Amino acid sequence: DQQVKQNSPSLSVQEGRISILNCDYTNSMFDYFLWYKKYPAEGPTFLISISSIKDKNEDGRFTVFLNKSAKHLSLHIVPSQPGDSAVYFCAASDHGSGNTGKLIFGQGTTLQVKP
Amino acid sequence: GAGVSQTPSNKVTEKGKYVELRCDPISGHTALYWYRQSLGQGPEFLIYFQGTGAADDSGLPNDRFFAVRPEGSVSTLKIQRTERGDSAVYLCASSPQGLNTEAFFGQGTRLTVV
Repeated sequence: DQQVKQNSPSLSVQEGRISILNCDYTNSMFDYFLWYKKYPAEGPTFLISISSIKDKNEDGRFTVFLNKSAKHLSLHIVPSQPGDSAVYFCAASDHGSGNTGKLIFGQGTTLQVKP
Repeated sequence: GAGVSQTPSNKVTEKGKYVELRCDPISGHTALYWYRQSLGQGPEFLIYFQGTGAADDSGLPNDRFFAVRPEGSVSTLKIQRTERGDSAVYLCASSPQGLNTEAFFGQGTRLTVV
């Protein structure tokens, strides 16, 4: 019962174009969502987050969109750069888990940005 | 320290042996998490500490797994009678308070049980 799903294992885009990474969730109690980036042999690095009271959060080249009715969120990277090539994980948490802040992760999407 | 530090980076052990994995969180962070990441999967929650106490250990797969954080800083994940299926990258993360703040991850310990 995968509560957070990233259905695209990989994505390849050209440098300068937009990268769109998608994430779906099933648990309607999730109220905080995050994106992490991971390079090989390193731990995940926080990228951007969004609370369920918002539908958009922007930070430089990165924007996260949340569609609660569809239980869907997406990460937009524009313009994409070769250094963005990494594995991207979507994660979610909910207050109902006893306010622990523990994260439920998706399987990850490998992004390759070609020069 | 500057970030979350995990030791060792790699650990190879024989089936049936006992292992300890160490995590040094960012100074001042009260919340500490252990996750396990298998190949091709996202990190999977194991246990959460708020201070010294394990506030949520619902992710520990069985009683061979145990974790401690005796002084509210360094944490040790202990695995008894290791099995080949325990092979994975074990990630530690810390955050200032837990809820609705991003967690900072260490580089992980790659455990291989042969």
